[in-house]
Amino acid sequence: KAGVTQTPRYLIKTRGQQVTLSCSPISGHRSVSWYQQTPGQGLQFLFEYFSETQRNKGNFPGRFSGRQFSNSRSEMNVSTLELGDSALYLCASSFVAGGTDTQYFGPGTRLTVL
Amino acid sequence: DAKTTQPPSMDCAEGRAANLPCNHSTISGNEYVYWYRQIHSQGPQYIIHGLKNNETNEMASLIITEDRKSSTLILPHATLRDTAVYYCIVRVPQTGANNLFFGTGTRLTVIP
Repeated sequence: KAGVTQTPRYLIKTRGQQVTLSCSPISGHRSVSWYQQTPGQGLQFLFEYFSETQRNKGNFPGRFSGRQFSNSRSEMNVSTLELGDSALYLCASSFVAGGTDTQYFGPGTRLTVL
Repeated sequence: DAKTTQPPSMDCAEGRAANLPCNHSTISGNEYVYWYRQIHSQGPQYIIHGLKNNETNEMASLIITEDRKSSTLILPHATLRDTAVYYCIVRVPQTGANNLFFGTGTRLTVIP
């Protein structure tokens, strides 16, 4: 079974621009979570989607948003990019939301904001 | 907030067992212990999880103390490819709460 895929793998943007990242979960998985990883803050939870609904949200500003489509694929959007948004953005999928279900991570998208 | 404490770094000789400790003294009765690892700049990789009994799979063994306040991840025969940051996470199974709290983890270096 194919793993979680994320596109693009690398991205360079300038301050003030917006960016959209894509995540395709493992086939059959309905929950998609997004994380941000920076050297200073480590891995931090952004939000989670299940059946096209945001079920949980971390402590990030409204510039960070996401959505999930009926095929469970998810996108996250960051508007008005800031230098501090440079990070590795990770997507994880699981069969259901919560419980002891295991999350599987994609390879990440490396975003650099200049 | 992360509810676990791990040593920041450890070394292990190639071929020997790597024993990675994790303290979770405030764990509650319904929280599971999960282990993930992250090889440089890749996505975290699931290793193993358990509630109270010891668990083993093809990658590792998880030993949880009887009082559940600490656990040890054991990689039986460490290889150079096991060099990574290992994260111990406690998690309450809760529908609609699929967020993992990662701490700072343990950086394991396997030495040839």
